[in-house]
Amino acid sequence: DTGVSQDPRHKITKRGQNVTFRCDPISEHNRLYWYRQTLGQGPEFLTYFQNEAQLEKSRLLSDRFSAERPKGSFSTLEIQRTEQGDSAMYLCASSPPTSAGIGTQYFGPGTRLLVL
Amino acid sequence: RKEVEQDPGPFNVPEGATVAFNCTYSNSASQSFFWYRQDCRKEPKLLMSVYSSGNEDGRFTAQLNRASQYISLLIRDSKLSDSATYLCVVNMRQAGTALIFGKGTTLSVSS
Repeated sequence: DTGVSQDPRHKITKRGQNVTFRCDPISEHNRLYWYRQTLGQGPEFLTYFQNEAQLEKSRLLSDRFSAERPKGSFSTLEIQRTEQGDSAMYLCASSPPTSAGIGTQYFGPGTRLLVL
Repeated sequence: RKEVEQDPGPFNVPEGATVAFNCTYSNSASQSFFWYRQDCRKEPKLLMSVYSSGNEDGRFTAQLNRASQYISLLIRDSKLSDSATYLCVVNMRQAGTALIFGKGTTLSVSS
């Protein structure tokens, strides 16, 4: 399977704990995005990487959230001191370089986080 | 006002029906437009891009009216397998940066 992969698929944690999610984009895609989706809502943008550079961050990305893409390949999203309001599906997406794509993004299966 | 607004739904239609979804967007600088489909507890998947001239893909037709900042999706001859949530999506630039999603409209097609 050469699509976007995410790990873990499900995570249950207690309030106050730290969690880290991983995303592996499609190999030739240099752009990587993180979104969050809660029940009954569309995905909401969190942050965007082009190669290893984090170029955009949403206001949703509080100080407790940090994302990295150290070598321009896989990315991690860490949430520190989790709160119950962090419970959501965390989606990763990737897209090819501009010349090869039309702005469409390919989503991974998501990591479903439940904070107790 | 939300950046992308869609019909609240849900839409419950019989097989073979024609159904239309509407969407409006608030930022006139939006440049790319899409419909994504999301099955229950799955990731969103691109259904089709939307162009100013209108475009068709089999039973699906998408229209864009930039002056009215309005996007539509028409599904003809609905199938059971069309049951899903349809997300209206805009992008501020041709590539890169965020996709801005509507809340989605749920379609249920019954036999």
